[in-house]
Amino acid sequence: AQSVTQLGSHVSVSEGALVLLRCNYSSSVPPYLFWYVQYPNQGLQLLLKYTTGATLVKGINGFEAEFKKSETSFHLTKPSAHMSDAAEYFCAVSDHTGNQFYFGTGTSLTVIP
Amino acid sequence: GAGVSQSPSNKVTEKGKDVELRCDPISGHTALYWYRQSLGQGLEFLIYFQGNSAPDKSGLPSDRFSAERTGGSVSTLTIQRTQQEDSAVYLCASSLERQAYEQYFGPGTRLTVT
Repeated sequence: AQSVTQLGSHVSVSEGALVLLRCNYSSSVPPYLFWYVQYPNQGLQLLLKYTTGATLVKGINGFEAEFKKSETSFHLTKPSAHMSDAAEYFCAVSDHTGNQFYFGTGTSLTVIP
Repeated sequence: GAGVSQSPSNKVTEKGKDVELRCDPISGHTALYWYRQSLGQGLEFLIYFQGNSAPDKSGLPSDRFSAERTGGSVSTLTIQRTQQEDSAVYLCASSLERQAYEQYFGPGTRLTVT
């Protein structure tokens, strides 16, 4: 069985500051890992994903995440927050079959001018 | 190409009525998922279709909920005898095995039960 834990349902950062959104997972097999973003009144869109290979993955809008197997983590970072980054962020994990796809409860990011 | 589409975008219904929500996945995507997102909550998995296999219905909250997928493409989520607690945004996503099942989401249907 798999699960996803996002620490911090709400995160506030100042504009220009580092963004760090935490995600830990549990999985019995090497998982696929995803971060999705949901802007207000919009659907979810993929930010980035890890499947195999390089453990540091880069996504859209300057976001990146690092898969750390030893820590079972896939934290999302961005060096400098922008006002437009304010949104809900969801971490997700799946096995390699597609029928076990689990989302975290989400982290709401607020960017303070 | 065209993304996942859902209809209607908004639906207001009276308690006790039945509703049907439609999802058109991306052409060629074999996997299709339904989720429910309540206000301020995460995504609650409802049901999963993969090709011609029997769907995974493990997330359906009650027997009032059902879904079908015709011809491996369009899917309909039906909620019978709607209750106020059914009010939520219902999201559909489709994916492809060779893309690691990366999910492409539709815009959702906002259901309000009065």
